[in-house]
Amino acid sequence: ETGVTQSPTHLIKTRGQQVTLRCSSQSGHNTVSWYQQALGQGPQFIFQYYREEENGRGNFPPRFSGLQFPNYSSELNVNALELDDSALYLCASSGDRGTDTQYFGPGTRLTVL
Amino acid sequence: RKEVEQDPGPFNVPEGATVAFNCTYSNSASQSFFWYRQDCRKEPKLLMSVYSSGNEDGRFTAQLNRASQYISLLIRDSKLSDSATYLCVVNPPGFQKLVFGTGTRLLVSP
Repeated sequence: ETGVTQSPTHLIKTRGQQVTLRCSSQSGHNTVSWYQQALGQGPQFIFQYYREEENGRGNFPPRFSGLQFPNYSSELNVNALELDDSALYLCASSGDRGTDTQYFGPGTRLTVL
Repeated sequence: RKEVEQDPGPFNVPEGATVAFNCTYSNSASQSFFWYRQDCRKEPKLLMSVYSSGNEDGRFTAQLNRASQYISLLIRDSKLSDSATYLCVVNPPGFQKLVFGTGTRLLVSP
């Protein structure tokens, strides 16, 4: 096991609602990256947090936002949910701004109805 | 053009077969290359990093051709447990984000 945990494992929301997903990084890791994986696709990079600051962002709208806490755990928030937001959300933990190997958590499966 | 492109699959092979997956990437300045394995409804797991000199881990061999921007993965003596989706992954220049291909599904049958 990677030591990266995510909660919840599954979530069902309706359009327009807001959701918060959580990730606890592996011990000793200071970087968390978030990815969205739609069915049949590879994961797509959302953003990365390093020492509580956003360190880079992919092509996702501002309604996708995040936080990293002093213990390096992280949250992904999505506002105004759309049907296309239905996906597996993965967080990956690594050291030193992600220069080390990224280890993935089990993911949160979000369904938007 | 997609940043990372892979064979679409699925590949259906019998146990014991040798199978090869290919992948191309668009950014010639990319720095790191990986193969990840993903089982159905699970998270991706690092299978191996890929180096210009090529590297081998048991039945798995990965190759990188920077001039052609091409990455390959060879699996020898396929096992039933090798059935999974194999994701080609590239780290483009800049900060460390991973860019994934869409994955190639492998089905190994008895």
